[in-house]
Amino acid sequence: EPEVTQTPSHQVTQMGQEVILRCVPISNHLYFYWYRQILGQKVEFLVSFYNNEISEKSEIFDDQFSVERPDGSNFTLKIRSTKLEDSAMYFCASRSGAMRNTGELFFGEGSRLTVL
Amino acid sequence: QKEVEQNSGPLSVPEGAIASLNCTYSDRGSQSFFWYRQYSGKSPELIMSIYSNGDKEDGRFTAQLNKASQYVSLLIRDSQPSDSATYLCAVTYNQGGKLIFGQGTELSVKP
Repeated sequence: EPEVTQTPSHQVTQMGQEVILRCVPISNHLYFYWYRQILGQKVEFLVSFYNNEISEKSEIFDDQFSVERPDGSNFTLKIRSTKLEDSAMYFCASRSGAMRNTGELFFGEGSRLTVL
Repeated sequence: QKEVEQNSGPLSVPEGAIASLNCTYSDRGSQSFFWYRQYSGKSPELIMSIYSNGDKEDGRFTAQLNKASQYVSLLIRDSQPSDSATYLCAVTYNQGGKLIFGQGTELSVKP
């Protein structure tokens, strides 16, 4: 069964360092997302990406965050200068282009980011 | 601010019983409704979607939607210990729009 894959599964970094989280969405999917979940809290939307551009972003997704799809398969989330409060599980998700399935997302296993 | 509210639980039911999970949402413009299951330390997994008022059944799961009351529920019949997880209610407000999640209800099924 096709799946969304994410790397790394866990990254520990120092405050102020840049981090890149990588995702390979399901191959025929057209919409890509990043969500995050701080330990014990709800899953929060960060950004959606379609047709090689950001389609929507949340208040959390400030200038320190960026996304790109550099080669048609990978979908990356970059945090330029990490803060302690960026410590969370980051989930990549994708979905097909079928209109009806707007919320039927397939999630990767997540990348746990720990900022020290 | 669009909100999705769930009782965080934990909800504890004996094996074989019916588990009832509830969710309310704040915006009447909500279009699509979803239940995801999240095991501890794992990613959310879609288990049910519902788009129109009424009931939708899939195996042991039944989703119920009442748009007038802005209420979504999930019933799990013949609950099994393997159903023990956090159940996330999620809503989209427009076609192609982001999913907004509730905080989740933790379900514990006791053998």
